[in-house]
Amino acid sequence: GENVEQHPSTLSVQEGDSAVIKCTYSDSASNYFPWYKQELGKRPQLIIDIRSNVGEKKDQRIAVTLNKTAKHFSLHITETQPEDSAVYFCAATNSGYSTLTFGKGTMLLVSP
Amino acid sequence: DVKVTQSSRYLVKRTGEKVFLECVQDMDHENMFWYRQDPGLGLRLIYFSYDVKMKEKGDIPEGYSVSREKKERFSLILESASTNQTSMYLCASSLWRTAIYEQYFGPGTRLTVT
Repeated sequence: GENVEQHPSTLSVQEGDSAVIKCTYSDSASNYFPWYKQELGKRPQLIIDIRSNVGEKKDQRIAVTLNKTAKHFSLHITETQPEDSAVYFCAATNSGYSTLTFGKGTMLLVSP
Repeated sequence: DVKVTQSSRYLVKRTGEKVFLECVQDMDHENMFWYRQDPGLGLRLIYFSYDVKMKEKGDIPEGYSVSREKKERFSLILESASTNQTSMYLCASSLWRTAIYEQYFGPGTRLTVT
């Protein structure tokens, strides 16, 4: 089955800096790559996703890039703010079913 | 707004008890999922269902079973709870079986087995 590796496990940045979280996946048939944000005590929520026919997608301060050849994708957050502090999960589809395999998560801490 | 609700936020059970966790979604989604979330391990899929009375094993089904008698309701059952099942349990739903759409999560149930 699919295996998703996520790095780093924790990331501390100063407010205004950029943050990058990287994921690799193993199943070359994966075609959908979402990112979820989970604030402390809250449920995970989708913040951005990318499909395999696209190399990059942006939404205001967040962007995701996908390299299908290398089987890795990354989340980029620019001009970080304290409210960006949360755990971020990447995920990739499992071929055959509409299920996702999640990475282990990255705890992002943005200091004022 | 999609709403996914779970029957309890916190639950404390004793070893050997039968435990039911219920999840209800109000958006007529076909797919429903049960995950457990543990620190450092991320979200791991226990079971999922893409239709009423259908169920498929996820990555860690041992010790669990599920029931989906109605489209909007998906139950997770711990037949005989053990301490290693102490965890946060998250339910999710999504729209289609054959296409990947956003998964909407419930608030979670923190289960403690003593």
